[in-house]
Amino acid sequence: AQKITQTQPGMFVQEKEAVTLDCTYDTSDQSYGLFWYKQPSSGEMIFLIYQGSYDEQNATEGRYSLNFQKARKSANLVISASQLGDSAMYFCAMRQTGFQKLVFGTGTRLLVSP
Amino acid sequence: EAGVAQSPRYKIIEKRQSVAFWCNPISGHATLYWYQQILGQGPKLLIQFQNNGVVDDSQLPKDRFSAERLKGVDSTLKIQPAKLEDSAVYLCASSLSGGQNQPQHFGDGTRLSIL
Repeated sequence: AQKITQTQPGMFVQEKEAVTLDCTYDTSDQSYGLFWYKQPSSGEMIFLIYQGSYDEQNATEGRYSLNFQKARKSANLVISASQLGDSAMYFCAMRQTGFQKLVFGTGTRLLVSP
Repeated sequence: EAGVAQSPRYKIIEKRQSVAFWCNPISGHATLYWYQQILGQGPKLLIQFQNNGVVDDSQLPKDRFSAERLKGVDSTLKIQPAKLEDSAVYLCASSLSGGQNQPQHFGDGTRLSIL
């Protein structure tokens, strides 16, 4: 069975600093996809970044990058140059091959201070 | 492009009443999902449609929940009768296909409170 673990319930960072949100996963599949979503207080889930298990390069999307360490089964999200608007819940999620469902972690609440 | 539309935004009902949620996915997206997000948790998949066929409903409490996607576009999720533990945010999402690498795009959700 697939499982996502996010061990940081909350993180604080000052504006303009970088922050790393941790995510570890458990799966017996060789082929899977890893996703990060942002959920502001308004409730919508916003897709940030995707990493495939066979991708050799770490994914990057603007200020977001995914530090993918396959042997350690970790997929940490790095946000560079934090902004006040980055304050939100962040969810790591995984999807195995085929039409397998997306499984989410419990999330990390990020608070960016001025 | 227009995003995933959901309604209503909020709903308050008493236990044992029924409620229905509506979702209109992004145009051209074949796959539609309904998730339940209980406060303090990540979303949990209730049901996944590929066009108008059900792909996965293994976590749908079928004694009280039902969902349909007629004509492969809009979808409705119904709860009858509601229980206190159904208080949650119900999120609808869609993706171009059900492929592993396809990101799911979410609507704003319906916040359901059961009294």
